[in-house]
Amino acid sequence: GENVEQHPSTLSVQEGDSAVIKCTYSDSASNYFPWYKQELGKGPQLIIDIRSNVGEKKDQRIAVTLNKTAKHFSLHITETQPEDSAVYFCAASFTNSNSGYALNFGKGTSLLVTP
Amino acid sequence: DGGITQSPKYLFRKEGQNVTLSCEQNLNHDAMYWYRQDPGQGLRLIYYSQIVNDFQKGDIAEGYSVSREKKESFPLTVTSAQKNPTAFYLCASSGTGGSGANVLTFGAGSRLTVL
Repeated sequence: GENVEQHPSTLSVQEGDSAVIKCTYSDSASNYFPWYKQELGKGPQLIIDIRSNVGEKKDQRIAVTLNKTAKHFSLHITETQPEDSAVYFCAASFTNSNSGYALNFGKGTSLLVTP
Repeated sequence: DGGITQSPKYLFRKEGQNVTLSCEQNLNHDAMYWYRQDPGQGLRLIYYSQIVNDFQKGDIAEGYSVSREKKESFPLTVTSAQKNPTAFYLCASSGTGGSGANVLTFGAGSRLTVL
């Protein structure tokens, strides 16, 4: 099955700096790569996703890049703010009605943005 | 508002007891999922269902059971056979076609503690 590795496990940045979280995946058939943000005691919330037909996607301060050849994708947060502090999860999946639509998650990155 | 409701939010169980976690969605999603979250372990898939009256085992199904009698509901039973049931349980749902496939919406979670 799909194996998703995520690094780093913890990340501390100063407010206004950029944060980068990286993930690698093992199944070359994977074609959907979302990122989720989880605040303490809550369920994960989708913040951005990318499908394998594009290499980069941006939404305000958040961007995701995908390198299918190297099988890795990254989350970039610019101009970080204290409210960005949370645990971030990457995931990978192969969209196929036979194999299901479940996501395979990385182990998460705990991001701390200090004022 | 559309969303996913999990209950109870906190649950305590004695060893040897079965317990059922509720998950209800009003998003008209066909697919539903149960994940288990442990500190530093990310999210691991327990069971998923793509359609009513059908479900499949995920990576860690042993000691758990589910049912899908209604589109809106996907309860999870943690049985006494689950050796280490203390965890945070997350329910999610998604569409199964087009751009909605794989886009998981999560509930707020249920925290189970075995005494």
